[in-house]
Amino acid sequence: SAVISQKPSRDICQRGTSLTIQCQVDSQVTMMFWYRQQPGQSLTLIATANQGSEATYESGFVIDKFPISRPNLTFSTLTVSNMSPEDSSIYLCSVEDLRVGDRNTGELFFGEGSRLTVL
Amino acid sequence: RKEVEQDPGPFNVPEGATVAFNCTYSNSASQSFFWYRQDCRKEPKLLMSVYSSGNEDGRFTAQLNRASQYISLLIRDSKLSDSATYLCVVQGGATNKLIFGTGTLLAVQP
Repeated sequence: SAVISQKPSRDICQRGTSLTIQCQVDSQVTMMFWYRQQPGQSLTLIATANQGSEATYESGFVIDKFPISRPNLTFSTLTVSNMSPEDSSIYLCSVEDLRVGDRNTGELFFGEGSRLTVL
Repeated sequence: RKEVEQDPGPFNVPEGATVAFNCTYSNSASQSFFWYRQDCRKEPKLLMSVYSSGNEDGRFTAQLNRASQYISLLIRDSKLSDSATYLCVVQGGATNKLIFGTGTLLAVQP
């Protein structure tokens, strides 16, 4: 199973500022995902981080607000731009578990999350 | 209607009890189904996949009913360490992405 390190683990930010979250995986993975989990809510997929091309965003999320980088197969960043209190959430990086033959098993491994509070 | 719906709970049960969670999904084209577990202030982790024929892993049994579009998780002989939020996850349809339910909170009492 993949080991995923995320940082920062938590932060308190002022309205209007931006924060970049880093995600490091201990092995090369094709697909990396960024999720958001707001208080009392389930996980919502923000975007898929693609190596060598632009991220693929889900409905309701845009690149200007959540720019993503994926410089190689083990690393990605998510930036939360021009933050407001509504962005207070846990942001989770995840990767797929690809077994022999690259069949999608559906198992995702998650980083421990970055807990963001915007004042 | 939400794509994946779960009773949020909380389910408060004594140690040793049997507890069952249900989850319904709206997309009949969904292909794969999972239960994830999320401990307080921790990341979700896969508990088990759900197969069409039903599957069991120790005290945990998962069932799928495609006709009624629901998934269930049964936990027998509950332990204190089973206390967590259980997330129903559905994959498939046009996008093939994973859709998470809001989770069911289980609290096992001594």
